[in-house]
Amino acid sequence: EVQLLESGGGLVQPGGSLRLSCVVSGITFSSCAMSWVRQFPGKGLEWVSVISGHGIDTYYADSVKGRFTVSRDNSKNTLYLQMSSLRAEDTAIYFCARTEYASGWSGDYFDYWGQGTLVTVSS
Amino acid sequence: QTVVTQEPSFSVSPGGTVTLTCGLTSGSVSTNYFPSWYQQTPGRAPRSLIYNTNTRSSGVPHRFSGSILGNKAALTITGAQADDDSDYYCVLYMGSGISVFGGGTKLTVL
Repeated sequence: EVQLLESGGGLVQPGGSLRLSCVVSGITFSSCAMSWVRQFPGKGLEWVSVISGHGIDTYYADSVKGRFTVSRDNSKNTLYLQMSSLRAEDTAIYFCARTEYASGWSGDYFDYWGQGTLVTVSS
Repeated sequence: QTVVTQEPSFSVSPGGTVTLTCGLTSGSVSTNYFPSWYQQTPGRAPRSLIYNTNTRSSGVPHRFSGSILGNKAALTITGAQADDDSDYYCVLYMGSGISVFGGGTKLTVL
């Protein structure tokens, strides 16, 4: 059974930092691209970032570029999201998701999801 | 900035057919955007329904189908059931590793 378990969420002040983790089991983690997707309190979903299986290739949404860093430790089957310079508008539930490709290295889609961890940015 | 558009809400009667769409504020959606669709119920993580325009994810009932209709991606539910009452999100792949979610459609089955 594939399982993704996020942790690390919580309350942080504007301008602060937080690191999220996602532990994955049931799949060959090092072979899988992984993404972070967030869901705002108003329910909309936003793709945040993706990292390749080997961790060399990373991509970010414009809204987080320069503030968030995705990384992974394949020896620990763990995905990370380091968030800094946090803003109120970063308040959301953060999901990790296994990312597959529809064609070649393109056409990302998200087939397995964790249950999410809540990040609240507020003073 | 290009935005991915979806109907905010839709309703369908049990047993009926409904088509939800996914468009762009600028331009047309084609298979080159590799549209994918996700279902989400309150308090749960999204569930993958369709990827690469029209391929059903594992375990997804055949009543869900994906296509391109005109200049939009489409998700059709044929023979809607009560537990299809959910939020539905599309995603378009913009290239260079970037994916964009639509705003979601709240589907009511009544």
